[in-house]
Amino acid sequence: SSELTQPPSVPVSPGQTARITCSGDALAKKYANWYQQKPGQAPMLVIYKDTERPSGIPERFSGSSSGTTVTLTISGVQAEDEADYYCQSADSSATFYVFGTGTKVTVL
Amino acid sequence: QVQLQESGPGLVKPSRTLSLTCSVSGGSISSDNYYWSWIRQHPGKGLEWIGYINRSGNTYYNPSLKSRVVISVDTSKNQFSLKVNSVTSADTAVFYCARDPGVNSGLDYWGRGTLVIVSS
Repeated sequence: SSELTQPPSVPVSPGQTARITCSGDALAKKYANWYQQKPGQAPMLVIYKDTERPSGIPERFSGSSSGTTVTLTISGVQAEDEADYYCQSADSSATFYVFGTGTKVTVL
Repeated sequence: QVQLQESGPGLVKPSRTLSLTCSVSGGSISSDNYYWSWIRQHPGKGLEWIGYINRSGNTYYNPSLKSRVVISVDTSKNQFSLKVNSVTSADTAVFYCARDPGVNSGLDYWGRGTLVIVSS
């Protein structure tokens, strides 16, 4: 199956750590990428190839992988991190992409 | 700095063909070895990958949309395009174009998106 499942919401207090999981069979063999999307804006790549951080993305964003689950961790959450987050990967044959169901991070 | 910009009609009648173009600046579609993707987002919903194309015209599509979608590239204009046939109200969405370094390395540059409403 190429489906990627995320929790619908993750509440977090400022300064705390938010962890967003993404689960799917394809993740055992394929990289995951993570995107942040704020209201009215296009998604922005924050993690690629499971753990790599693009230039300009704060160090508080990190990624990890274990088996069929990948995790996006936001350490020392700030108010500006409130957004929807999507994981994305490829099917087993790497011929098409699939996005996760999305997680809304709410900063309390 | 690479920039992408979607353009096309904001309103399409049911059963017609939706056509959008993505103009790329700050980089060349013909000289760079990237894939160029289309993604859509239904109002209030998640992201759905539609398909991508490379400079050679090789395409890959989401199996759920493959029968209705065509992506093409015009290297002379540094643009790539999307056509979705036989649209219904279920195709109402914000459409994004994006650059893809390939090998599932993440979509690193995105356009701002354009809303297309399917309605009579």
